[in-house]
Amino acid sequence: QKEVEQDPGPLSVPEGAIVSLNCTYSNSAFQYFMWYRQYSRKGPELLMYTYSSGNKEDGRFTAQVDKSSKYISLFIRDSQPSDSATYLCATAREGGKLIFGQGTELSVKP
Amino acid sequence: GAVVSQHPSWVICKSGTSVKIECRSLDFQATTMFWYRQFPKQSLMLMATSNEGSKATYEQGVEKDKFLINHASLTLSTLTVTSAHPEDSSFYICSAADTGRFIEAFFGQGTRLTVV
Repeated sequence: QKEVEQDPGPLSVPEGAIVSLNCTYSNSAFQYFMWYRQYSRKGPELLMYTYSSGNKEDGRFTAQVDKSSKYISLFIRDSQPSDSATYLCATAREGGKLIFGQGTELSVKP
Repeated sequence: GAVVSQHPSWVICKSGTSVKIECRSLDFQATTMFWYRQFPKQSLMLMATSNEGSKATYEQGVEKDKFLINHASLTLSTLTVTSAHPEDSSFYICSAADTGRFIEAFFGQGTRLTVV
């Protein structure tokens, strides 16, 4: 079993839609949960991170962690074509070693 | 945000040659740098962790003699792929973090290596 599992998609939505991206993880000891955006042939860019359970909001983006079910989500409101990218969830092991999900390819159509 | 510059952004080399990839933190001191490898439509896989002035720590299954990592200063780490083969063709990405701020590590733009 992979430590972080993510549906690779691809996911295609119309502009303005609410996007829901999800991951599951296996180790209940994980405490930090991150979401990255990666454009084609570029390095990932940190969008936001949460510690333990709960929600965190930043503009149109909301990250949610449910530790009881080991489930993490990223919601994008009012999606824009510029949001088209691959979104990677990640968590961290000791020493800052990041474990990434496979990434979900998102396409927002005008 | 902080900038991590990775160079070159793409490189093509002949099988059997070596390739060096540089990763620089431009506006902060990177006490720790990480090197990742990413195959098309797949996740980033951590290859090794390097701390300034120390030997790199490699993940299981990564050949340390093939992927030489040097982190000689707080702003520069290099990855050398020695005796490259076509199966080494991949997207290599570095990230850099200041002490204790691993969650906020910044990523370079990546290097696409093609071995022919």
